[in-house]
Amino acid sequence: DQQVKQNSPSLSVQEGRISILNCDYTNSMFDYFLWYKKYPAEGPTFLISISSIKDKNEDGRFTVFLNKSAKHLSLHIVPSQPGDSAVYFCAASAIIGTYKYIFGTGTRLKVLA
Amino acid sequence: DAGVTQSPTHLIKTRGQQVTLRCSPISGHKSVSWYQQVLGQGPQFIFQYYEKEERGRGNFPDRFSARQFPNYSSELNVNALLLGDSALYLCASSGQGQGTEAFFGQGTRLTVV
Repeated sequence: DQQVKQNSPSLSVQEGRISILNCDYTNSMFDYFLWYKKYPAEGPTFLISISSIKDKNEDGRFTVFLNKSAKHLSLHIVPSQPGDSAVYFCAASAIIGTYKYIFGTGTRLKVLA
Repeated sequence: DAGVTQSPTHLIKTRGQQVTLRCSPISGHKSVSWYQQVLGQGPQFIFQYYEKEERGRGNFPDRFSARQFPNYSSELNVNALLLGDSALYLCASSGQGQGTEAFFGQGTRLTVV
């Protein structure tokens, strides 16, 4: 039972354009969401998070949008850079602070120079 | 400041053997979580420890166990290894307070032959 789904296994975007990565979840108890980036042979690196009381959070080139009614969140990267090429995981947690995250299967982003 | 450190980075074991993986959290972090990531999947939650107490356990068999020491470092033990235990084992540490993200180490790549 996949509670967090990333339906696009891969995405290719031209440098300078916007990258949009999507994530859907099924558990309405989730109230904290995160995005991590992972390069080969490294652990996941935290990018940005959002709690369920917000619908948008920005940090530089990264913006996360949350649509609770649709149980959907997305990560926007603009402008995309070749160094952004990595696997991106969304994760969800039912209670803030427990750190038990449910991860999606990841989306491999390739930014073309 | 040192991030989350894990040892060893790579490990090859034979079926039926036992393995111990180690993790040192970021200085000041009191919570450590363990995740298993198999190829093509997102990380799966195994355990969370906070102040040396188990705070959460994922859907893993009793062959998996863990503990946290007074200095907040942690060990993950897996007994009677199976081929299916081959994976990247990730440790994450977190600070106190709600809404704080988890920071991951580079992982230990375990291969069971």
